[in-house]
Amino acid sequence: EAGVVQSPRYKIIEKKQPVAFWCNPISGHNTLYWYLQNLGQGPELLIRYENEEAVDDSQLPKDRFSAERLKGVDSTLKIQPAELGDSAVYLCASSSGSGQGGGYNEQFFGPGTRLTVL
Amino acid sequence: GQQVMQIPQYQHVQEGEDFTTYCNSSTTLSNIQWYKQRPGGHPVFLIQLVKSGEVKKQKRLTFQFGEAKKNSSLHITATQTTDVGTYFCAGRRANDYKLSFGAGTTVTVRA
Repeated sequence: EAGVVQSPRYKIIEKKQPVAFWCNPISGHNTLYWYLQNLGQGPELLIRYENEEAVDDSQLPKDRFSAERLKGVDSTLKIQPAELGDSAVYLCASSSGSGQGGGYNEQFFGPGTRLTVL
Repeated sequence: GQQVMQIPQYQHVQEGEDFTTYCNSSTTLSNIQWYKQRPGGHPVFLIQLVKSGEVKKQKRLTFQFGEAKKNSSLHITATQTTDVGTYFCAGRRANDYKLSFGAGTTVTVRA
C-alpha cells in the first residue's frame, strides 16, 4: 500500500514569494490533515478535511495561508506571501476516519515538505 | 500552543538500559496516541490508549494511560540503537477530534 505522498520535499524561496505544497493521501482515506512542525516541536494542526470539506481551519492563518481539497482526494496548501517565520516542515497526514467515541484512527504521515524562507 | 507536556525533552541512554518518558495534560483526555519520528523522518504511529489505567505492550515498549486519563508513559527496556528518535504523545480531549502533540522526547543511545 502506497503511503502519503508529498511534494516537493524541499523548497527554498525568498520572503514575500508564494509557495504551494501538494499532498496525495492514502487511497480511501477521507480525512486529511495539514500540520506544521517547527524544529524541536511536535506537529501543530493547521487544517483538517473530511472529504472535500474543511471541518477545522481554526489554526490556519487565513491572511496568508489557504488550502483546498477540491475532489476530496489530493490537497494543496498555499502560502502567499511567505514570511521568514514560515520556515518549517509542512506535514500532510491522512486517516480512514475521524472516528467517534473514545477511539480514533491512527494518522499516517507523509515525508513532509521542508520550507526555507530567505 | 502545546496542551500536552512531555518530559524529559532529551534522554541519553546507555545501550541495554531502561528508561521512561512521560506525557502530562492539564485536562482529561479521551484518548492518547504515541508516535515515533526517526531523525529526518516523519511521525509513525505506535499505539493508542483509550481506557483509564490501560497498559499495552509492544515487545520492549510498555505504554500506560493514567487512572485519571491526564497522563501517560512510555517505558522502553533494554534500549537498542534502533530506539533512537523522538517519541511524541498526542492527546485528544473529550468531544474534540483535534490531536494535540507534545514537544516530544528525543532519545539518543550510547553504544
